[in-house]
Amino acid sequence: AQSVTQLGSHVSVSEGALVLLRCNYSSSVPPYLFWYVQYPNQGLQLLLKYTSAATLVKGINGFEAEFKKSETSFHLTKPSAHMSDAAEYFCAVSGSVGNEKLTFGTGTRLTIIP
Amino acid sequence: DSGVTQTPKHLITATGQRVTLRCSPRSGDLSVYWYQQSLDQGLQFLIQYYNGEERAKGNILERFSAQQFPDLHSELNLSSLELGDSALYFCASSEQSTRADTQYFGPGTRLTVL
Repeated sequence: AQSVTQLGSHVSVSEGALVLLRCNYSSSVPPYLFWYVQYPNQGLQLLLKYTSAATLVKGINGFEAEFKKSETSFHLTKPSAHMSDAAEYFCAVSGSVGNEKLTFGTGTRLTIIP
Repeated sequence: DSGVTQTPKHLITATGQRVTLRCSPRSGDLSVYWYQQSLDQGLQFLIQYYNGEERAKGNILERFSAQQFPDLHSELNLSSLELGDSALYFCASSEQSTRADTQYFGPGTRLTVL
């Protein structure tokens, strides 16, 4: 079975500061991992995904994530936070062949302090 | 805009009633997924269809059913509604049905059961 754990349901950072959102995974098969962002009253938008190619994955809006197998982690980072980054962020892991559902973490609400 | 459309955007109904949620996937996408987002359960996978056939089931209640039509649009039917069914229901679509596929999410249907 596959699962992800997001540490910190709420994270606040100052504008211009580093953003670090944590995600740890558990998977019985080689994991495929995703980060999605949800703005208020909207659907989920893909930020980036890891599918066993490069371990450092670059996404949209300046975000990136590094897959670390030894730590079973896939943390999301952005060097400099913008006010527009305020949203909820979800880490997800893909299921197994025949059931390619996404299993989501509980989400991290990111607040940007001006 | 993900290219996935969902109707209606909002739905308010009473306990015991039946509703139908509709989803049109991105052009060319063969897979459709349904997810439920609620405060207490988070984002939960309900069911997946691939090219008209049910492919995987998740935490979908027996009172809920879905189908995918020949034109690939999908409907989620919720019956004997209870207060606890109030949630945001998302449809997502992907090109194929592989673990690496990006799932594109629609804007959701917010269901309120009174």
